[in-house]
Amino acid sequence: QQQVKQSPQSLIVQKGGIPIINCAYENTAFDYFPWYQQFPGKGPALLIAIRPDVSEKKEGRFTISFNKSAKQFSLHIMDSQPGDSATYFCAASTGNQFYFGTGTSLTVIP
Amino acid sequence: DAGVTQSPTHLIKTRGQQVTLRCSPKSGHDTVSWYQQALGQGPQFIFQYYEEEERQRGNFPDRFSGHQFPNYSSELNVNALLLGDSALYLCASSITWGVTDTQYFGPGTRLTVL
Repeated sequence: QQQVKQSPQSLIVQKGGIPIINCAYENTAFDYFPWYQQFPGKGPALLIAIRPDVSEKKEGRFTISFNKSAKQFSLHIMDSQPGDSATYFCAASTGNQFYFGTGTSLTVIP
Repeated sequence: DAGVTQSPTHLIKTRGQQVTLRCSPKSGHDTVSWYQQALGQGPQFIFQYYEEEERQRGNFPDRFSGHQFPNYSSELNVNALLLGDSALYLCASSITWGVTDTQYFGPGTRLTVL
């Protein structure tokens, strides 16, 4: 059973566009929602994270929107660049156990 | 400050063999989690070690076992390797009872089972 559902599976945008990646969860005990970026052959790197007591968090060009009632959260990448081309994973945790989405492969075309 | 380190980088084994993967956590971190990431998939939680004990375990068979040492480093052992064990094995470190739940990942060990 997939604890965190992520969509879309892949995404192609033009440079400067705003890709949006969505995740949904069921377990209301989750209290920490990070996003990770992974390049081929590398481990996931933390991008940004949010707790359910806030509805939005911005760090640089990355924004998380969080809808607690809908049990959904999303990642927005402003002014996307070719260097942002990577796989993005959402995750949710309760305590120290993390559950990951299936990933979104993002391609930013120059 | 070194981040999470893992060794070896790559490993090739044959079915039925046993393998040991190693992880050193980020400085100041006391908790180590292991994940298996199949190609094109998200990381799947194997287990977590804290205070040299297995604290939580995901849906993985007993062929997967681990250990945490007093210096917080950790090993993942897989016995009786199957073709399906081929994957990227990721170690993540964190701080139990810390301000944040953030897990920091190492670069992974790519295991190929032939």
